[in-house]
Amino acid sequence: DIQMTQSPASLSASLGETVTIECLASEDIYSNLAWYQQKPGKSPQLLIYDASSLQDGVPSRFSGSESGTQYSLEINSLQSEDAATYFCQQHHDYPYTFGAGTKLELK
Amino acid sequence: EVQLVESGGGLVQPGRSLKLSCVASGFTFSNYGMNWIRQAPGKGLEWVAYISSGSSYIYYAETVKGRFTISRDNAKNTLYLQMTSLRSEDTALYYCARGPLPGFDYWGQGVMVTVSS
Repeated sequence: DIQMTQSPASLSASLGETVTIECLASEDIYSNLAWYQQKPGKSPQLLIYDASSLQDGVPSRFSGSESGTQYSLEINSLQSEDAATYFCQQHHDYPYTFGAGTKLELK
Repeated sequence: EVQLVESGGGLVQPGRSLKLSCVASGFTFSNYGMNWIRQAPGKGLEWVAYISSGSSYIYYAETVKGRFTISRDNAKNTLYLQMTSLRSEDTALYYCARGPLPGFDYWGQGVMVTVSS
């Protein structure tokens, strides 16, 4: 199975700041990576697919990038509504696997 | 509007069975692959099973293979998950989700399954 190592487990940032969350795949997943946002008590929402493609309706302050097997989610100009847990997920091969999640807190 | 509504959860004893349903609306269900994904209380996400649009392709996580069966009825716009030999570690919120498209673009609200004596 492909392992997704996500970091950090948690972070705290201020409104207007930029944060980066990373996921390291245990093997090449050929950009087949998605990012999700989950708010407490809610279902996950797709933010980005294919490593850098923005899902319809997602604000442009969210962006994704890659370098080898390292994938990153950047959130610019943090807003209060961005407080959530973020998960990466590889959609290259079954079983699809998720990162452990990053809990983003706003100061 | 795309909607996915799960049902069938509850409290069940270890070793017993339970069948979850997910009714889809707002899109042509028969055109899309579907999945079950679960989340144990306070934990991360675990993909459980996938079924292709015409049921030709089915995949399972190793943790449920041989115990869970995913199926669908396109005439009823409904996805199912038959769970047998349930264990305490199967306790989770179970989501149905559309995809991959790639990525899972729509998720239900989830249905809770608690396995306990």
